[in-house]
Amino acid sequence: GAGVSQSPRYKVAKRGQDVALRCDPISGHVSLFWYQQALGQGPEFLTYFQNEAQLDKSGLPSDRFFAERPEGSVSTLKIQRTQQEDSAVYLCASSPWDSTNYGYTFGSGTRLTVV
Amino acid sequence: KQEVTQIPAALSVPEGENLVLNCSFTDSAIYNLQWFRQDPGKGLTSLLLIQSSQREQTSGRLNASLDKSSGRSTLYIAASQPGDSATYLCAVTTDSWGKFQFGAGTQVVVTP
Repeated sequence: GAGVSQSPRYKVAKRGQDVALRCDPISGHVSLFWYQQALGQGPEFLTYFQNEAQLDKSGLPSDRFFAERPEGSVSTLKIQRTQQEDSAVYLCASSPWDSTNYGYTFGSGTRLTVV
Repeated sequence: KQEVTQIPAALSVPEGENLVLNCSFTDSAIYNLQWFRQDPGKGLTSLLLIQSSQREQTSGRLNASLDKSSGRSTLYIAASQPGDSATYLCAVTTDSWGKFQFGAGTQVVVTP
C-alpha cells in the first residue's frame, strides 16, 4: 500500500485480556519497528525486525509482550494479560533496506486503553 | 545511554513569526537525525532527515541544522501559519539498523 497501515485504530481492553495489534508496512520494506508512546512523551523503542528476523527486542517491557513477523511483511504485536500501565499508543514504522539514508515511515498508531 | 532533550516543551507564537525548536543529544556518535511532526491522535510525519555528515537540510519553509560535535539540532520554521500547530519531535539513530531515540517533543501553537 501507499503507507504503513495499523489496525485497529482504537482498542479498549479489560485488564487481564489479551490483545493483538497489526501492522502492514509499505510493500517491500525490509525494516520494521514497533514503538510505544505514552501520553505527552516521545515514542519508546520496543522491537525491531529485519524481514522475518527479530534482531532486537530489548525494549519489550515484560514477557507479556510478544511480536512476530513470520513472512517478513505483516507484523503483529501481542500483549498478554494487559495491565493499566500498557495503555499507550503503539506505533509501527517501516523502511527500505537502507534505513539510515531514507528514514522511516510511521503508521497512525493503535491507541490501547486498558480499563 | 543516549538522551535526547527538546526545549522548550511548549511554544505559542502569533502567525507570521519564525519558529525555532531545539534538540540536544548526549552521544554524538549518531547515524542521522530526523525531525517529525505529530498531530493530535495521529502518527508521525517525517519532515527532514539529516545524515551525520550533513550540516543542514531544507524543505520549503523548514530548515534543520545539525552540529554533531556539540550534540545539537535546530528546526527553523519560517513565517509560521496556524496549520503549523502540532507537536514536533526529534529523533536520533545510534546504530546501523536505525533504532530511534526520541525527545519528548515541543508542542507548538500558532495563533491567527
